[in-house]
Amino acid sequence: NAGVTQTPKFQVLKTGQSMTLQCAQDMNHNSMYWYRQDPGMGLRLIYYSASEGTTDKGEVPNGYNVSRLNKREFSLRLESAAPSQTSVYFCASSRVSYEQYFGPGTRLTVT
Amino acid sequence: QKEVEQDPGPLSVPEGAIVSLNCTYSNSAFQYFMWYRQYSRKGPELLMYTYSSGNKEDGRFTAQVDKSSKYISLFIRDSQPSDSATYLCAMRGGGADGLTFGKGTHLIIQP
Repeated sequence: NAGVTQTPKFQVLKTGQSMTLQCAQDMNHNSMYWYRQDPGMGLRLIYYSASEGTTDKGEVPNGYNVSRLNKREFSLRLESAAPSQTSVYFCASSRVSYEQYFGPGTRLTVT
Repeated sequence: QKEVEQDPGPLSVPEGAIVSLNCTYSNSAFQYFMWYRQYSRKGPELLMYTYSSGNKEDGRFTAQVDKSSKYISLFIRDSQPSDSATYLCAMRGGGADGLTFGKGTHLIIQP
């Protein structure tokens, strides 16, 4: 039982490049989330998916797109990376929204 | 004013002391109140959650919610060096599925 897994662990991009962050959970949870964590800002919700086939914007969705590929997988795409997107990205999943389980994070640097 | 305010610390206390961590919030729609612990370069892990007002105890940890004052606390008894981490308060309500986090308090337990 791996819980929530994220790939890659680290990534360096140049401004304007694109990439997809992958997330998978094996707990049969309906809901999945993407957060970013920045120094002095705490964790902020980017997008979430309450169930397979649905996605909704969170607090900071600009510059990102998501895909809920199936019940297990929820990906986050940066179409044209900007230095302001340098951050640590966490994926989470939950059966009930107040009990979220987080992955280990992806550290992204955009130069 | 941010919806959730949390002193970032660092808070340094000797081993064995009682630790008090606090958050204030402004959104009266919040109903669920959570505390997450995050070790350096790891994802957050859920410690405890409380629904509405009241106290909840789990081993050395006690969570308190005072909705009338919009104030929540986490107490750690008999603190251990292994408790050294960043503690994040989080709240949920208002119909959205995502959580609203405080910025986190960096706690250091000195052996």
